[in-house]
Amino acid sequence: QKEVEQNSGPLSVPEGAIASLNCTYSDRGSQSFFWYRQYSGKSPELIMFIYSNGDKEDGRFTAQLNKASQYVSLLIRDSQPSDSATYLCAVRGWDLTGGGNKLTFGTGTQLKVEL
Amino acid sequence: EAQVTQNPRYLITVTGKKLTVTCSQNMNHEYMSWYRQDPGLGLRQIYYSMNVEVTDKGDVPEGYKVSRKEKRNFPLILESPSPNQTSLYFCASGPGGAGETQYFGPGTRLLVL
Repeated sequence: QKEVEQNSGPLSVPEGAIASLNCTYSDRGSQSFFWYRQYSGKSPELIMFIYSNGDKEDGRFTAQLNKASQYVSLLIRDSQPSDSATYLCAVRGWDLTGGGNKLTFGTGTQLKVEL
Repeated sequence: EAQVTQNPRYLITVTGKKLTVTCSQNMNHEYMSWYRQDPGLGLRQIYYSMNVEVTDKGDVPEGYKVSRKEKRNFPLILESPSPNQTSLYFCASGPGGAGETQYFGPGTRLLVL
């Protein structure tokens, strides 16, 4: 059973701080990694994706990937109250039963940015 | 505006009464998928489609049917809904394969009594 695991939180950080969200995955053959943000009652929206080991930056967001440790993280700098949401990690892997690639989602980490 | 639309957004029904949730995308995406989201269980894939007339089961297909007769539409059919199908449903589409970026519709909240 391929798994993507995230701490459910809530993770509370003060406004202006760095929020660090973590995700581990079990399938060593996983190829692509995605972070989605989901506000309460809304649909997930893509924040960023990463394919290669290392860091990828986009504005206040940085995704970090370490395939050897099977670990992907999302850093949010200068956290704002509007960043309060649930963050979903998704991992692309090869689904043997389905005969193709598949996106598997973690259950999400709830982030609360406090004033 | 590029988007994925779902209808209805909210639905209350009774056990056994057939229903269809429509999904449509205007981005010419080949890939479409249905998910259900339940507290503590995250997003679980129900069915997906790689192209017109090509559909396949996801992780939780029991009790659901889909069809893909046109590229833009991917309806989800519950032939005989049961209370355990009460959930929040999302349709998604993407330009690549099943493991690539996906764009989600606004969601359909279903309550089966």
